[in-house]
Amino acid sequence: DAGITQSPRHKVTETGTPVTLRCHQTENHRYMYWYRQDPGHGLRLIHYSYGVKDTDKGEVSDGYSVSRSKTEDFLLTLESATSSQTSVYFCATFEMDRGYTGELFFGEGSRLTVL
Amino acid sequence: AQTVTQSQPEMSVQEAETVTLSCTYDTSESDYYLFWYKQPPSRQMILVIRQEAYKQQNATENRFSVNFQKAAKSFSLKISDSQLGDAAMYFCAYRSANRGGADGLTFGKGTHLIIQP
Repeated sequence: DAGITQSPRHKVTETGTPVTLRCHQTENHRYMYWYRQDPGHGLRLIHYSYGVKDTDKGEVSDGYSVSRSKTEDFLLTLESATSSQTSVYFCATFEMDRGYTGELFFGEGSRLTVL
Repeated sequence: AQTVTQSQPEMSVQEAETVTLSCTYDTSESDYYLFWYKQPPSRQMILVIRQEAYKQQNATENRFSVNFQKAAKSFSLKISDSQLGDAAMYFCAYRSANRGGADGLTFGKGTHLIIQP
């Protein structure tokens, strides 16, 4: 399994405050993703990265920004958190060269509560 | 855009019995990958089984097997000899084979599987 760690694992914050979630991988995978998971919606893609400083939007990108200054780190920032961003956030990685098995590897998830 | 539909929000099965979880998808592509992920209460996303669209043979992993019907765009998961540890949310997911890693996986909304002892 890919070594993917997310921090913090749990966070409670107030509406209007900035929040940054960090994803760190040790597998040197090229692609990294941020998903959010909400009841009745499954996992939805927020943003993804295909290399250092290369990012693109996903299905639910409004209110979120990302940065990737190193291969191993992918940051998700909520500039001004809202209650609708209360969710569980998952980081995932993918590498095409490893036998091209096609699956994504996931971190443990970060639960964010915005009051 | 591709969509993945899991029509069963919740399923219940007796321990040791067999259960089938349904998944349909919509795509105009011919090359893609399909996956079933398991999410136990620990929240960890665990790959259960994978199917390449170009392969006609259905994938099997121990007690887990799929029924892949490409023309019908159907990808069901069969769990045989259900065990208490199988209790979890199960997500069906799609990935294009033509876009590299762009867009990641498209997920269904999930099926909550309950195992009755």
